[in-house]
Amino acid sequence: DTGVSQNPRHKITKRGQNVTFRCDPISEHNRLYWYRQTLGQGPEFLTYFQNEAQLEKSRLLSDRFSAERPKGSFSTLEIQRTEQGDSAMYLCASSPGWGNYGYTFGSGTRLTVV
Amino acid sequence: DQQVKQNSPSLSVQEGRISILNCDYTNSMFDYFLWYKKYPAEGPTFLISISSIKDKNEDGRFTVFLNKSAKHLSLHIVPSQPGDSAVYFCAIGQGGSEKLVFGKGTKLTVNP
Repeated sequence: DTGVSQNPRHKITKRGQNVTFRCDPISEHNRLYWYRQTLGQGPEFLTYFQNEAQLEKSRLLSDRFSAERPKGSFSTLEIQRTEQGDSAMYLCASSPGWGNYGYTFGSGTRLTVV
Repeated sequence: DQQVKQNSPSLSVQEGRISILNCDYTNSMFDYFLWYKKYPAEGPTFLISISSIKDKNEDGRFTVFLNKSAKHLSLHIVPSQPGDSAVYFCAIGQGGSEKLVFGKGTKLTVNP
């Protein structure tokens, strides 16, 4: 297993377009997280899945954002009608168990909205 | 309002000396404390953690100290090595939630 994989690594899109990112966690990890990091800030929590169930969502996750983990394996994060303020690094992480905060992060998807 | 603060954006130390990175938090309900290290173009990597029932945890060259009364967390790296040059984030969790709250990070540069 090569760790948490995120695709694409970079995405440039025009304002108003929809984008979708994919995350493949470590195979035996049942917990999956999405974070967003903007320049000069630390990662900010977006949402968390245990298997296929989305159990926590941040208020940062507006109606334009949706995340899924349909079979409890890979996850997708979709942003509809992108805005320039959505430009950020989107990080996915996974962990094997409850309260195990020592996540393994992927390298992230950098989104630029022009 | 920031719940987790790393007040030093950068720190520079000489190889072989001690690096001390600091973190302050505001919420006394936080009960799990971690440090992550991040190299450019990579995701953060978990480094070391401590729970609220302890005041010190050691792993090789890395030691984390927790002062609950002061709501202060620190990471000591001894001896510092050039490969330790990275951005260090403190991150804090609370029982009952899987969410971590991160600080803004401190960029550590270890000079040979």
